[in-house]
Amino acid sequence: GENVEQHPSTLSVQEGDSAVIKCTYSDSASNYFPWYKQELGKRPQLIIDIRSNVGEKKDQRIAVTLNKTAKHFSLHITETQPEDSAVYFCAAADSSYKLIFGSGTRLLVRP
Amino acid sequence: GAGVSQSPSNKVTEKGKDVELRCDPISGHTALYWYRQSLGQGLEFLIYFQGNSAPDKSGLPSDRFSAERTGGSVSTLTIQRTQQEDSAVYLCASSILQSPSSPLHFGNGTRLTVT
Repeated sequence: GENVEQHPSTLSVQEGDSAVIKCTYSDSASNYFPWYKQELGKRPQLIIDIRSNVGEKKDQRIAVTLNKTAKHFSLHITETQPEDSAVYFCAAADSSYKLIFGSGTRLLVRP
Repeated sequence: GAGVSQSPSNKVTEKGKDVELRCDPISGHTALYWYRQSLGQGLEFLIYFQGNSAPDKSGLPSDRFSAERTGGSVSTLTIQRTQQEDSAVYLCASSILQSPSSPLHFGNGTRLTVT
């Protein structure tokens, strides 16, 4: 089955700097890669996603890139703000839509 | 509209007891997922229901864990003979699955503590 690895486990950046979180997946049949944000004490929520026929997707300060050949994808947050502090999860799914999540990255944005 | 509802929000039980966790998905959502989140850890896949298909139980950690989904709506996750390592937040999520990018909508979870 699918296995998703995520790095780093923790990331601390200065406000205004960029943050990058990387994930790799094992199942070449996976074709959908969402990212979820979980604020402290709250439920995970979808922030951006990408499908395997697209190499990059951007939404304001957030972008995701996908390298299908290497089976890795990354989340990029630019001009980080304190409210970006949260745990971020990547995930991968094949055509069955079963989502397998990475282990999470705790992002801390220092004001 | 109403989101995914889970009950109870907190459950404390003694080791060896059975527990039932309930999930009410968003109306019309055909897919329902159970995940487990241990303290400070990731989202561990447990089980996945999709429409009338047989559930994908590949993530259930042991035969003490089982789940059912009645009438394609409410789901119950049952843990028999609970152990301390079962302590975690159990998250339910549902999805409409009408498009590849249908997001998962998570409930607030049930925090299970086994003493």
